Amino acid sequence: DAKTTQPPSMDCAEGRAANLPCNHSTISGNEYVYWYRQIHSQGPQYIIHGLKNNETNEMASLIITEDRKSSTLILPHATLRDTAVYYCIVRVASGGYNKLIFGAGTRLAVHP
Amino acid sequence: DAGITQSPRHKVTETGTPVTLRCHQTENHRYMYWYRQDPGHGLRLIHYSYGVKDTDKGEVSDGYSVSRSKTEDFLLTLESATSSQTSVYFCAINTGTGPGNTIYFGEGSWLTVV
Repeated sequence: DAKTTQPPSMDCAEGRAANLPCNHSTISGNEYVYWYRQIHSQGPQYIIHGLKNNETNEMASLIITEDRKSSTLILPHATLRDTAVYYCIVRVASGGYNKLIFGAGTRLAVHP
Repeated sequence: DAGITQSPRHKVTETGTPVTLRCHQTENHRYMYWYRQDPGHGLRLIHYSYGVKDTDKGEVSDGYSVSRSKTEDFLLTLESATSSQTSVYFCAINTGTGPGNTIYFGEGSWLTVV
């Protein structure tokens, strides 16, 4: 699985959009981009994933560049409860044995 | 939470004793995983299973064994617990095998080896 690079920490004001970047310049054509987050002392929580197209769900939006070498997770209206470590992971998603390899992630702090 | 239950949620045990952690799922998914999480190391895969009686090692499997006699249960055993195995253990399941399948995690089991 391709390696990802994320900033170690970011801040965001409550109510504003949080934009979390991720670089994955060695991504292969069949690898998906996944985002998880982990709130203190809880299990990692799935947020969203995508292959080529931008994706949106009730939690967030995922913007993938046309060359697929980077992506951005957008939390449109951050709340204090969004304070967490956010992980960007690329993996082949066909074949259930393909596991997730976690990096260090980005620690997002949402402040009032 | 994808129907994942881990037990026990918290356990303190003595060095040298055997410990078994249980992961139970309610949705009959084929693929299950055990991860451990430690400060400075993040989440690391211990073992995974791709079916009943079918298991394989992850990146930090030494000192651990697993068993899967039923689809719904994936057991992680520390045959002789050591202090280096003090950690938080997360079970995960994969909801499918097609493109875009998703892995969901349980809430964790906190193990302290004294």
